[in-house]
Amino acid sequence: DIQMTQSPSSLSASVGDRITITCRPSQTIGRSLNWYQQKPGKAPKLLIFAASNLYSGVTSRFSGSGSGTDFTLTITSLQPEDFATYYCQQSFRTPSITFGQGTRVEIK
Amino acid sequence: EVQLVQSGAEVKKPGESLKISCQGFGYNSTNHWIGWVRHLPGKGLEWMGIIFLNDFDTRYSPSFQGQVTISADKSTKTAFLQWSSLKASDSGMYYCASLGYHEFLTGSPPVPQFYYFLDVWGKGTTVTVSS
Repeated sequence: DIQMTQSPSSLSASVGDRITITCRPSQTIGRSLNWYQQKPGKAPKLLIFAASNLYSGVTSRFSGSGSGTDFTLTITSLQPEDFATYYCQQSFRTPSITFGQGTRVEIK
Repeated sequence: EVQLVQSGAEVKKPGESLKISCQGFGYNSTNHWIGWVRHLPGKGLEWMGIIFLNDFDTRYSPSFQGQVTISADKSTKTAFLQWSSLKASDSGMYYCASLGYHEFLTGSPPVPQFYYFLDVWGKGTTVTVSS
């Protein structure tokens, strides 16, 4: 199994801030890394696929980068609707996949 | 519009069996993988397993192998998640999601590379197991 380690597990930020979340798989996965946003009581939503590609309809405030064993999700100019939990997910071993443990973004 | 419609909330007692469903609408074929994700209260998302609707090829996360059974009905494009004996610790939200992909052409000559992701999600089924 490929283990996914996200950091931080939570962070507090203000509206307008720029934040970065890191995801490190236990082995190299090329660019097979996706990012999701989940709000309480709702299903996750795909934000970024293949490390850096913005999914259809997702605001350009979100961006992804990285390859191999080091990936980041960046949110520029944080908006009230961005306060949520974010998960990375590897698809290198599709159809067997794994999620990171999540990063909760809270309002400071 | 493609969507996944999940069955309603369930309340069960420990030891009881349960089968929940996830039906796909708007899909033009059965060449789709549909997976299951567990979300326990206060915890992160956990990948449980996935099934290919066309031939029922099924893969399980090692954490869930032997704990649940994933099955499907090709004729209705429905995936199922089943427990034979529920425990209180199974209480939580269960999501189904379908595996989409994007093809990139890279290199010279161009070679297709496929990247997969969970792009369509059901709204979730709440399972409560309590005596």
